[in-house]
Amino acid sequence: AQSVTQLDSQVPVFEEAPVELRCNYSSSVSVYLFWYVQYPNQGLQLLLKYLSGSTLVESINGFEAEFNKSQTSFHLRKPSVHISDTAEYFCAVANTGFQKLVFGTGTRLLVSP
Amino acid sequence: SQTIHQWPATLVQPVGSPLSLECTVEGTSNPNLYWYRQAAGRGLQLLFYSVGIGQISSEVPQNLSASRPQDRQFILSSKKLLLSDSGFYLCAWSAGLAAPNEQFFGPGTRLTVL
Repeated sequence: AQSVTQLDSQVPVFEEAPVELRCNYSSSVSVYLFWYVQYPNQGLQLLLKYLSGSTLVESINGFEAEFNKSQTSFHLRKPSVHISDTAEYFCAVANTGFQKLVFGTGTRLLVSP
Repeated sequence: SQTIHQWPATLVQPVGSPLSLECTVEGTSNPNLYWYRQAAGRGLQLLFYSVGIGQISSEVPQNLSASRPQDRQFILSSKKLLLSDSGFYLCAWSAGLAAPNEQFFGPGTRLTVL
């Protein structure tokens, strides 16, 4: 069975500082990996995904994540955060060809001035 | 473009009352549909998923049930709500094998059981 671990439940950071949100997964087969973002009282929005190819994937708003198969990780990074990045971030994994996602428990990113 | 709707947006119900939450998808056909519950501090828990009309898979034993009476309609129900049913309920869809596992979420329903 697959599982996802997001060790940090909350990450406080100052505006314009870099941030890394950690995600580790376990799976015995090839996987797809996702990061979703949830703003307060809203649904989840896909931030970025790794399906195949380049292990470094980027979002349109400056986030990036790198798939590291040997470390079974898919950490999310941003070199300079904005107040508007304050949200909860969920990492998710699924088997290739399988239709279900397994989510981590989420990391709340708190950006302060 | 595809859109997903959920209603109601918020709901306050007494313990023991019935529940019906509705989710509809527009702009696509034969989607996979999902119901999740998000409890405070516990991430997302997959409750049900459906790969076609009348086909429902339950992920966890619980007080809830799901139905898919039409291709793009997914309903979450309960005959008698429990306090523990409180939470934020999210519906999602995916295009199945055409776009593996990329799920798109609705705006959610916040349910409070008193």
